[in-house]
Amino acid sequence: NAGVTQTPKFQVLKTGQSMTLQCAQDMNHNSMYWYRQDPGMGLRLIYYSASEGTTDKGEVPNGYNVSRLNKREFSLRLESAAPSQTSVYFCASSVYPSYEQYFGPGTRLTVT
Amino acid sequence: AQSVTQLGSHVSVSEGALVLLRCNYSSSVPPYLFWYVQYPNQGLQLLLKYTSAATLVKGINGFEAEFKKSETSFHLTKPSAHMSDAAEYFCAVRPSKAGGTSYGKLTFGQGTILTVHP
Repeated sequence: NAGVTQTPKFQVLKTGQSMTLQCAQDMNHNSMYWYRQDPGMGLRLIYYSASEGTTDKGEVPNGYNVSRLNKREFSLRLESAAPSQTSVYFCASSVYPSYEQYFGPGTRLTVT
Repeated sequence: AQSVTQLGSHVSVSEGALVLLRCNYSSSVPPYLFWYVQYPNQGLQLLLKYTSAATLVKGINGFEAEFKKSETSFHLTKPSAHMSDAAEYFCAVRPSKAGGTSYGKLTFGQGTILTVHP
């Protein structure tokens, strides 16, 4: 059981470039989440997917899009990266009616 | 609406001393509460959770937390700190009842960095 995996681990982009962060879980969880972590601000929810085929905006969705490809995979896309999107991005998953979320190792993104 | 406040962005203790990390929450419905730990350059790992059963919750690595409804608090404690406890700790809340757009989402506090001195 790998749990939640994320690729890549590190990425450097130039302003205006695009990229997709990949996330997969092998725990048969229904719900998946994308967060960003910035110093002193905790984790902020970008988008989440309650179940396959559904997605919803979180607290900070601007500049991002998501795709729930299937039950296992949930990707996050930056169409035109900005320096304000420099952050560490975490993917997580959970299963109803259990309440805790399981996190991936994170992707450290720098936009110059 | 729900929110979490962690009092103290940095806490420093000596090895063997009591660890106390404070968390206060606000929630319009009975909450579920969580503590997560994050070691450097890693993801978050669940320490313990409160889901309306026992108010004193025991977690991994000797940590425990007590849900106090009257104080809207869920403080994390450990009787004796170990060097390996040095990490960042996050408190999180989610509503316990379905309904509304916030169900299923966790709201995190800003984190408390724990330093343990020899």
